[in-house]
Amino acid sequence: DAKTTQPNSMESNEEEPVHLPCNHSTISGTDYIHWYRQLPSQGPEYVIHGLTSNVNNRMASLAIAEDRKSSTLILHRATLRDAAVYYCILSVGGSARQLTFGSGTQLTVLP
Amino acid sequence: DSGVTQTPKHLITATGQRVTLRCSPRSGDLSVYWYQQSLDQGLQFLIQYYNGEERAKGNILERFSAQQFPDLHSELNLSSLELGDSALYFCASSVGSGGYGDTQYFGPGTRLTVL
Repeated sequence: DAKTTQPNSMESNEEEPVHLPCNHSTISGTDYIHWYRQLPSQGPEYVIHGLTSNVNNRMASLAIAEDRKSSTLILHRATLRDAAVYYCILSVGGSARQLTFGSGTQLTVLP
Repeated sequence: DSGVTQTPKHLITATGQRVTLRCSPRSGDLSVYWYQQSLDQGLQFLIQYYNGEERAKGNILERFSAQQFPDLHSELNLSSLELGDSALYFCASSVGSGGYGDTQYFGPGTRLTVL
């Protein structure tokens, strides 16, 4: 199975941009890249997903490397509400059924 | 609020007992997924149903079973409970059957404590 590697933790200051990296060197051509986040005591929350091109939505941007072996989730202005565990997940073979959550990146936002 | 509802919010029971967790998907979603989150295993996919049919199976124990009803709500049944079954159980739903880019929306979870 294609795996992802993320830093265990990151810190950011409030109202500054945050770049959360993810390595997925064994990604194949049909694997989508998904990002979810889990706030304390809540269920995971969908953030964004993409295949090849960079993607933007109201929550974040996803920058995908040209070789697709890495990606970066960008929060443009971190708020205290963005403190969460962020998971980078590959949907293997195009199937988004069995999301495999790793250990994710714990993002701390400092006031 | 994702639109996915789960009941009960908390459940405390004893070893050897059986419990049922309930999930109502978002309006219009046909797939329901169940996940287990424990401290030592992280978030693990258990099983998926699409429009009443089982579609994918993950690390679900034989003591656990699930079904999806005609109104699309789903129930996860856990029997012969052990201490190690204590965990958060999340339900998620999606519009499609889990194909390309299908997004899963998660409920708030049921916290199960087995004493």
